[in-house]
Amino acid sequence: EVQLVESGGGLVQPGGSLRLSCAASGLTFSTTWMSWVRQAPGKGLEWVAMISQDGSGRDYVDSVKGRFTISRDNARNSLYLQMNSLRVEDTAMFYCASDTYGAFHNWGQGTLVTVSS
Amino acid sequence: ELVLTQSPGTLSLSPGERATLSCRASQSVKHDWLAWYQQIPGQAPRLLIYGASSRATGIPDRFSGSWSGTDFTLTISRLEPEDFAVYYCQQSGSLPKTFGQGTKVEIK
Repeated sequence: EVQLVESGGGLVQPGGSLRLSCAASGLTFSTTWMSWVRQAPGKGLEWVAMISQDGSGRDYVDSVKGRFTISRDNARNSLYLQMNSLRVEDTAMFYCASDTYGAFHNWGQGTLVTVSS
Repeated sequence: ELVLTQSPGTLSLSPGERATLSCRASQSVKHDWLAWYQQIPGQAPRLLIYGASSRATGIPDRFSGSWSGTDFTLTISRLEPEDFAVYYCQQSGSLPKTFGQGTKVEIK
């Protein structure tokens, strides 16, 4: 059974930083593209970032470019999202997801990020 | 950015009825790159359909997907109580990957 477990969310002031982690098991992590998807309270889903199997390929939604960095450690079966210069509008539940054949096949339970003064 | 427009916003139906959800793309998207998800309040999304018409692992056959040009459809043949949820379409054919705004299927 595939399990994705996010951690690292919390309350942070505007302009602050957080690092999210996602621990993966039950899949061959090193051969799987991965993404972060977020959902603001009461809103729809928004893709945030993706990373290739070896980490050499990355892409981001425009609203986080230059502020967020996606990375991975295949030896630890872990995915990360470093979030800097956080804004109130970044408040959301953040999900990690496996990204295969153009779809997000597996999702974690999410970690909540709240940006507020 | 490729925009996906879902309709209707809300669908009010009774258990046992057929549900037809639509997703229209603002430009051409190869069907391989269109997926559908179900989200029950308080839970993470769950993949239902990928490649426009392939059911994900463990998804019952009452869920089906189809397409014609830039119009994609998710059909639930007979609604079960657990199917009342929000449904999203999503495309990966062009970056940024985008989702539709969602269709809520509620009990009538």
